[in-house]
Amino acid sequence: GAGVSQTPSNKVTEKGKYVELRCDPISGHTALYWYRQSLGQGPEFLIYFQGTGAADDSGLPNDRFFAVRPEGSVSTLKIQRTERGDSAVYLCASSLTGGVGETQYFGPGTRLLVL
Amino acid sequence: AQSVTQLDSQVPVFEEAPVELRCNYSSSVSVYLFWYVQYPNQGLQLLLKYLSGSTLVKGINGFEAEFNKSQTSFHLRKPSVHISDTAEYFCAVSQGGSEKLVFGKGTKLTVNP
Repeated sequence: GAGVSQTPSNKVTEKGKYVELRCDPISGHTALYWYRQSLGQGPEFLIYFQGTGAADDSGLPNDRFFAVRPEGSVSTLKIQRTERGDSAVYLCASSLTGGVGETQYFGPGTRLLVL
Repeated sequence: AQSVTQLDSQVPVFEEAPVELRCNYSSSVSVYLFWYVQYPNQGLQLLLKYLSGSTLVKGINGFEAEFNKSQTSFHLRKPSVHISDTAEYFCAVSQGGSEKLVFGKGTKLTVNP
C-alpha cells in the first residue's frame, strides 16, 4: 500500500517568507509526527498528533512554527518568517494508533532551503 | 533529558566482513529502542526494535541487536555485510510513556568491494 508522502520534495525560499509543508500519512493511521533533520544530525522531534489534536508540541523551536491536522489525516507544518537556520529536511511519520513503542513509518522528507 | 550516542560517525568495511554499529542511551528507566536505516535518497526504514523480552532482537536484512541494560547499550550487528548495506543507520529511543523518538546523530556505513 501507499506509504507516507510529503510535498513538496524540495522547497527553496527567501529569508522572511512563509512556507507550508504537507504530509499525507498512511491511510488509517491516527498518529502523525513531525521531525526535523539538520545536516549531519539525527532527526529531532517537533510535534505529535493523535487524531486532530496536538498531543505533544514540546519540540517546536519557537512560535514561528505551527502545525495543523484539521481532519485527522493530512497535516501541514507552517513556518512563518523563515530564517536561514530553518534550512533542514523536514520528516513526517505516522503510526497506527500512536502507542508507545509502535513503529513509526517515515516519509521521504521535504528539503527546505532558506536563502 | 533522554539522549542517544552513536560513537562512530563513519564506519568503512569490506564486503562480507562483520560489522558492529554502537549505540548508547542515557536513561536508566524503561526504554524502547530502535534502529532505523536511511538508504541514499530514501526515507527512514525500521530495521528492528526492542520493546521487552529477549535481549537479542533480529531484524530485516540479517541485522540483529542486543539490548544491554547494565551498559545502557543497543549495538547493531551483522555477521557479513553486502555492498547494498551502504547507508546511514540511526539508533533511537523512546522513554517509557512517551511516543516521541530521540535519535542519535547516525553512523554512515560504507561497504567497499
